[in-house]
Amino acid sequence: DIQMTQSPSSLSASVGDRVTITCRASQGISNSLAWYQQKPGKAPKLLLYATSKLGSGVPSRFRGSGSGADYTLTISSLQPEDFATYYCQQYYRSPMYTFGQGTKLEIK
Amino acid sequence: DVQLVESGGGLVQPGGSLRLSCAVSEFTFSDYSMNWVRQAPGKGLEWVSYISSSSKTQYYADSVEGRFTISRDNAKNSVYLQMNSLRDEDTAVYYCARVGIGGSLDYWGQGTLVTVSS
Repeated sequence: DIQMTQSPSSLSASVGDRVTITCRASQGISNSLAWYQQKPGKAPKLLLYATSKLGSGVPSRFRGSGSGADYTLTISSLQPEDFATYYCQQYYRSPMYTFGQGTKLEIK
Repeated sequence: DVQLVESGGGLVQPGGSLRLSCAVSEFTFSDYSMNWVRQAPGKGLEWVSYISSSSKTQYYADSVEGRFTISRDNAKNSVYLQMNSLRDEDTAVYYCARVGIGGSLDYWGQGTLVTVSS
């Protein structure tokens, strides 16, 4: 199985800050990486797929990058609605999907 | 808008069975593969099972292999998860999710809670 490791596990930031979350796979995954946002009590929402392509209706302040086994999600200027938990997911070994453990983004 | 609506969750005793359903609308269901993903209380996301658009292939996480069965009915625009021999550790919110471009999960239902407890 491909293991996905996110860091940090939690993060405190302020509105307007730039934040970066990283995701490392246990092997190269050829950009087959997605990011999801989940708010309490809600279903996950697709933010980015194929490392850097925006999901439907996702604002451009969300950016993804990376290659090989290392990937990042950057939010360029945090908005109040961005405080949530973020998950990376590999689909290189689709459909044997694996998710990172999540990063909880909290208001400072 | 694309919609996925899960149902069938509830309280069940260890060793019991439950069948979850996911009804979809506003897209051509028979063109898409589907998945079940679960989330234990306060925990992260865990992929559970996959079914191809034609039902030709199914896959399961090791944690549910041999106990859970995924199926679909393209005429009814629905995907199902039959869960047998339930364990405490199967307690979770279960989401159905559509496979989108390249393999990401582009649409999710709102989830249905399964609680396994005596």
